Amino acid sequence: GAVVSQHPSWVICKSGTSVKIECRSLDFQATTMFWYRQFPKQSLMLMATSNEGSKATYEQGVEKDKFLINHASLTLSTLTVTSAHPEDSSFYICSARDRPVETQYFGPGTRLLVL
Amino acid sequence: GENVEQHPSTLSVQEGDSAVIKCTYSDSASNYFPWYKQELGKRPQLIIDIRSNVGEKKDQRIAVTLNKTAKHFSLHITETQPEDSAVYFCAAKNFGNEKLTFGTGTRLTIIP
Repeated sequence: GAVVSQHPSWVICKSGTSVKIECRSLDFQATTMFWYRQFPKQSLMLMATSNEGSKATYEQGVEKDKFLINHASLTLSTLTVTSAHPEDSSFYICSARDRPVETQYFGPGTRLLVL
Repeated sequence: GENVEQHPSTLSVQEGDSAVIKCTYSDSASNYFPWYKQELGKRPQLIIDIRSNVGEKKDQRIAVTLNKTAKHFSLHITETQPEDSAVYFCAAKNFGNEKLTFGTGTRLTIIP
């Protein structure tokens, strides 16, 4: 089946530093990747959608200069949280799909803690 | 845009009984409806999905029904087992849109 990996699984950083999270599709080409944020006991909040080779489309209220997304290849997308602050602490999950297939497959998530 | 409501938010069911979770959607153009199961601290996993040209789909103990006229769809789990305990999310998507809109989730607890 379709497998999506995410790295790192855990990251703890100091306030003001930048953190990069990688999302890879291991056995399929991900024409579209999605980045979500999930707070405890809450639903998945879409942050942005990225298509390979194009700029990401951000959801309303998500700062594109703070959450930099790069989808440079059909198997890799990265999310960089720039100048992270404690309020950025959350569970970040990516998902990927290979158009025209509808199904989104999720990565295992990255838990970010900003001190 | 699309809005998906999900009920109930929590559900406790005796082992062996059935569980039903319901979702309503607002966009009549939505045509794809997946259900995801998320265990604590883990990734959401697709358990079943349905497209708008089908009214019902079944996979072993899991079934999904879709009523396009009323714009609602439901997840049915029969003969529940302790390993069914998790948070379940419904979602909806229309053909012209890349993204899924998720419901708020249902925490299902199976009581042994």
